[in-house]
Amino acid sequence: ETGVTQSPTHLIKTRGQQVTLRCSSQSGHNTVSWYQQALGQGPQFIFQYYREEENGRGNFPPRFSGLQFPNYSSELNVNALELDDSALYLCASSPPDRGREQYFGPGTRLTVT
Amino acid sequence: RKEVEQDPGPFNVPEGATVAFNCTYSNSASQSFFWYRQDCRKEPKLLMSVYSSGNEDGRFTAQLNRASQYISLLIRDSKLSDSATYLCVVNIAGNTPLVFGKGTRLSVIA
Repeated sequence: ETGVTQSPTHLIKTRGQQVTLRCSSQSGHNTVSWYQQALGQGPQFIFQYYREEENGRGNFPPRFSGLQFPNYSSELNVNALELDDSALYLCASSPPDRGREQYFGPGTRLTVT
Repeated sequence: RKEVEQDPGPFNVPEGATVAFNCTYSNSASQSFFWYRQDCRKEPKLLMSVYSSGNEDGRFTAQLNRASQYISLLIRDSKLSDSATYLCVVNIAGNTPLVFGKGTRLSVIA
């Protein structure tokens, strides 16, 4: 196990609702990246947080937002959920100055109906 | 053109077979290369990094050709437990995000 935890493991929401997903990074890791993995696809980068600031963003609309807390844990918020938001959401943490080493959590499986 | 492209798969092979996965990447500035393994409904896990000189880890051999922007993974003597999706991953530099291919699914059959 990587030591990265995510909650919840599964959830079901309806279109238009809002959701918050949580990630606790591995001890000593100060960078957190979020990815979306749709069925049959590879993970797609959403954004990255470093020292509580957004540090890079992929091609996702503003309704995807995030936070990082002083203990380096992180949240992903998605507003106005759409059916296509149904996916596995993965969080990965990285140690200081070794951003290419990313350790993934087990993911949160979101279903939007 | 997608940033990272992999064989579409799936690959269905008998136990003991040798199987090769291919991957190409579009950004010539890419610096780091990896193969990840993902079991059904689980998170991706690093299988091995890929170095220019090629590298081997037991039954697994990874190769990188920077001139052709091509990466490969060879699995020898396939085991049932090798059944998974194999993701080709590229990183441009440092804290930039990992860029994943779509993955190639492997099923090893008894």
